Amino acid sequence: QSALTQPASVSGSPGQSITISCTGSSRDVGGYKYVAWYQQHPGKAPKVVIFDVSERPSGVPDRFSGSKSGNVASLTISGLQAEDEADYYCSSYTSINTLLFGGGTKLTVL
Amino acid sequence: QVQLQESGPGLVKPSETLSLTCTVSGGPIRSSSHYWGWIRQPPGKGPEWIGNIYHSGPTYYNPSLKSRVTVSVDTSTNQFSLKMYSVSARDTAIYYCARHIHTGSWPVDNWGQGILVTVSS
Repeated sequence: QSALTQPASVSGSPGQSITISCTGSSRDVGGYKYVAWYQQHPGKAPKVVIFDVSERPSGVPDRFSGSKSGNVASLTISGLQAEDEADYYCSSYTSINTLLFGGGTKLTVL
Repeated sequence: QVQLQESGPGLVKPSETLSLTCTVSGGPIRSSSHYWGWIRQPPGKGPEWIGNIYHSGPTYYNPSLKSRVTVSVDTSTNQFSLKMYSVSARDTAIYYCARHIHTGSWPVDNWGQGILVTVSS
């Protein structure tokens, strides 16, 4: 199984909104409402910011939102802040009871 | 508050077996709400899921690693373990033990600090 496809990098200015895409197939992203998104700062373990496509864990700001259309899931961060600068990874449950990660997207806050 | 802590050697020789243990403290591993698993991340690359186990035994593995990996759980010691056989330099990575929530996307809500394992002679 191949990794989910994400753009290598995105950028935005403070206060703006950005969207990161995650492309899979009907066997993973497109087949279920089971996509999660992780934020990872350098030297730290990843932290989940969205699960089950659009659910936000307690403590995660509502500036973070998730959606899905067909085989593409998306993470949107509105009102960008300097602390949002990090690597972001999507993951999806698959039809063979496994978990697949994306290659990651580096978010730069200009 | 539940905490996870990996332990094991940081250096393994090629063709040998990598063995790691994760100790869960602050809560029972026998939880109906969670899976326990391992995720690795090569330096500078994205995470790769290795496998999950439920306290009562069902295990799930990454197909690309399944032939070389065993994940097991010991409820008496509140620990779970990873064994990876016949390792090579490609297995060099930070290995995290993880607690997954028992919901559709298996989100990880609790991570160990990670242990860097280098495969080298």
